[in-house]
Amino acid sequence: AQSVAQPEDQVNVAEGNPLTVKCTYSVSGNPYLFWYVQYPNRGLQFLLKYITGDNLVKGSYGFEAEFNKSQTSFHLKKPSALVSDSALYFCAVRDGGGATNKLIFGTGTLLAVQP
Amino acid sequence: DAGVTQSPTHLIKTRGQQVTLRCSPISGHKSVSWYQQVLGQGPQFIFQYYEKEERGRGNFPDRFSARQFPNYSSELNVNALLLGDSALYLCASSLWDRDVSEQFFGPGTRLTVL
Repeated sequence: AQSVAQPEDQVNVAEGNPLTVKCTYSVSGNPYLFWYVQYPNRGLQFLLKYITGDNLVKGSYGFEAEFNKSQTSFHLKKPSALVSDSALYFCAVRDGGGATNKLIFGTGTLLAVQP
Repeated sequence: DAGVTQSPTHLIKTRGQQVTLRCSPISGHKSVSWYQQVLGQGPQFIFQYYEKEERGRGNFPDRFSARQFPNYSSELNVNALLLGDSALYLCASSLWDRDVSEQFFGPGTRLTVL
């Protein structure tokens, strides 16, 4: 079965420092991976996706993610964190087979950026 | 362009009642999915509809049902509400069901069951 794991419940980083939010995956077949961000009392906003091709994927708001097949990881990164980046981040994988659009989400990582 | 819209934004029901949640997808999107997000957890897939047909169903009891209309809007119905149904219900739309296009989420409906 497809799954993703986010090993950190919370990540703390100072404004201006680089940030990394970790995600590992387990899939059969090709991994289709996504990152979403959720602000308080809001729905999820799409950040980026990996389908195939370059291992470094660039997304919205200056975020990028590195796909690593050997480590089965898809970590979210940003070179310089902003206080406004503080939010809940979810990694997700699309369920296999292609017959459905079902996403399987991780448990989420709360990013706290201190000024 | 308007994003995914959901109504109502908040809802309070008592155990045993029934509830209907509504979703309008982004214009041109034919696929609508529903997710349940319990506090402190990631969203859990409930249903996907495409061209008015059910394309996927998550591990939810038969009390949960949905449908999609000719204009691609959708309704999620939950019967015989339980306390555990209290959650944020998210609707997501996407262009097509078999590509790997991203899903765009609405703001959600916060359901509280007392």
